Amino acid sequence: GAGVSQTPSNKVTEKGKYVELRCDPISGHTALYWYRQSLGQGPEFLIYFQGTGAADDSGLPNDRFFAVRPEGSVSTLKIQRTERGDSAVYLCASSFSYSGGNTGELFFGEGSRLTVL
Amino acid sequence: QKEVEQNSGPLSVPEGAIASLNCTYSDRGSQSFFWYRQYSGKSPELIMFIYSNGDKEDGRFTAQLNKASQYVSLLIRDSQPSDSATYLCAVTRGLEGNEKLTFGTGTRLTIIP
Repeated sequence: GAGVSQTPSNKVTEKGKYVELRCDPISGHTALYWYRQSLGQGPEFLIYFQGTGAADDSGLPNDRFFAVRPEGSVSTLKIQRTERGDSAVYLCASSFSYSGGNTGELFFGEGSRLTVL
Repeated sequence: QKEVEQNSGPLSVPEGAIASLNCTYSDRGSQSFFWYRQYSGKSPELIMFIYSNGDKEDGRFTAQLNKASQYVSLLIRDSQPSDSATYLCAVTRGLEGNEKLTFGTGTRLTIIP
């Protein structure tokens, strides 16, 4: 597709379970971002990839959260031992990067709504 | 102190009037500034970006930046009901936006027909 694709669109899980959220960026975009957004709040930065490597993972709240992008395209956000406080919309965005920088415009997917019961 | 602060609103503006949205930021190293629009239940989309002090106009939208005051604003002229959305201010240290983008909580704008 032409846009950023995220799956699943909705995920309901029980406290303590493991969850994976997938993001397929726009073709050719080398920068990929994960944010999460709670109701009434702005997107909260989690991690940013430039190619295959995590350029900045300072927003990951704790070691239960991990993200990978093994081939520089699709990324997976992994959450272990989920807690009720992890419930939010997880947004993925990609950006075109050139000469080490990018245009600054992030193209967001529609998000994965995670509910932890 | 939050890194990016916005009045959460709601801000109600009559159709055809000017809507004024404001944002302050704490990191003096910030170099790039963005306004995103987010409709209810949808993902954010870029409206404007600004790097230099002063005004930048694009159609009905004008972004204003004052780095000395650490202040960014967005003016929407001739407001339309379709402008009703949450407007997110975002900043980054990277001049080309190649560092993380930090968002404010957003201002909810309602245009009254």
